[in-house]
This record gives sequence, structure tokens and C-alpha cells, in this order.
Amino acid sequence: QQQVKQSPQSLIVQKGGISIINCAYENTAFDYFPWYQQFPGKGPALLIAIRPDVSEKKEGRFTISFNKSAKQFSLHIMDSQPGDSATYFCAASKEEYGNKLVFGAGTILRVKS
Amino acid sequence: DAGVTQSPTHLIKTRGQQVTLRCSPKSGHDTVSWYQQALGQGPQFIFQYYEEEERQRGNFPDRFSGHQFPNYSSELNVNALLLGDSALYLCASMKGGASYEQYFGPGTRLTVT
Repeated sequence: QQQVKQSPQSLIVQKGGISIINCAYENTAFDYFPWYQQFPGKGPALLIAIRPDVSEKKEGRFTISFNKSAKQFSLHIMDSQPGDSATYFCAASKEEYGNKLVFGAGTILRVKS
Repeated sequence: DAGVTQSPTHLIKTRGQQVTLRCSPKSGHDTVSWYQQALGQGPQFIFQYYEEEERQRGNFPDRFSGHQFPNYSSELNVNALLLGDSALYLCASMKGGASYEQYFGPGTRLTVT
């Protein structure tokens, strides 16, 4: 029940296109869902996050869509740029568990110019 | 405002040896978590420290231990190193009780030969 399943494993998008990464979780007690971006040799950087009381959150070109009934959430990157090429991780946490993050396996995004 | 810092950047050890990794949290943060990220995988939670006590622990053996100091900095110790301990070790900090947001350091790349 602690798993977070992420798909696809890798994604190639043309410059200016929309990148979509999906995640599904099992534990309905999770109450915080962040997305992290990681470049090679670097630590994960917090990109955007959502709580389950809203269905969508937008920050610049990045949008999280959240479907509580389906236990799914997704990251949309609009107008994808070559600089967005990185590995993206979804995660979930619960305050009762000390907010320890349970990560998905990651999606390698490549934006072709 | 300095973010999360970790030292050393890289480390090479031999099987059976012991290693200590260090982390300084982001200014204003009092909670430190450690994660292990194997190559091509998402980070896995090791443990979390708050008020100098281990508050949460993931599924890692007792060879992994830690400490938090009064200035909130933290150490991760791994004894009797195995080849499988080779990974990127990440430290994340947050402001306990006030925010869900966790910020990661650049990590320490540990290679066990």
C-alpha cells in the first residue's frame, strides 16, 4: 500500500509539445503529492506539489492534475523545452508518517529541439 | 540563503569499511531525512531526524544509523559496507510541523568496491 507507480519509464517530446507523466497510488491516507525534477549528478529539485483537496494546480508551464477517486495524479509540462530534459519523479507522503516521501520509479524526459 | 549542503561529494570505500556522510539543512529547517538512490531508481527513505531523535525509519538494516546535532545538521553512518550500498545518498530538510515541502541536497555518491 506504500507504492507509487509511475509511467511512462521514458518519454520523447518535440520542442513546444506537451509532456505528460502519470502516477498512481494505493494508500488513500497520502495527503501530499509533489513532483521532483532531477538532472544528472544533482539532487531532486521540488517542482510543484498538490494536496488532495484540489483537482488542479498550475505554476508557469507546469500543471498537476489530481483525481482522488481514481487515486491518480499527473504532471503536464506545456511548451516543453530542451532544458526540461531531465528525470521526473512523482512522490506521495502523509503527515502521520512524518512526511516521508514514497517515490515513483521516475520518467526520463527528452525534449528534442 | 544556503540550501541543503552535503559532504563529501564523492566517496570510494572498500567492502567491510565504515562511512560517515554529513548534511546541513536549509536555513530555518529543523527536520532532516536521508534517502538512498540506486542508479536508475527513485530515492528510498532511510530515516528521519527531528529534535535529535530518529522519528521514522524505512526498511534499512541496523548497519545504517544516524545522528542529528543541536544545530540540526545530521550524519548518516553505514557500517560493514556491502557492494549493494553503492548509491547516491540524499539528504532532505524541511521545517517540521509547518510545511510538507522537503528540499534535497546534491547528494553524496558512494562507491563500494
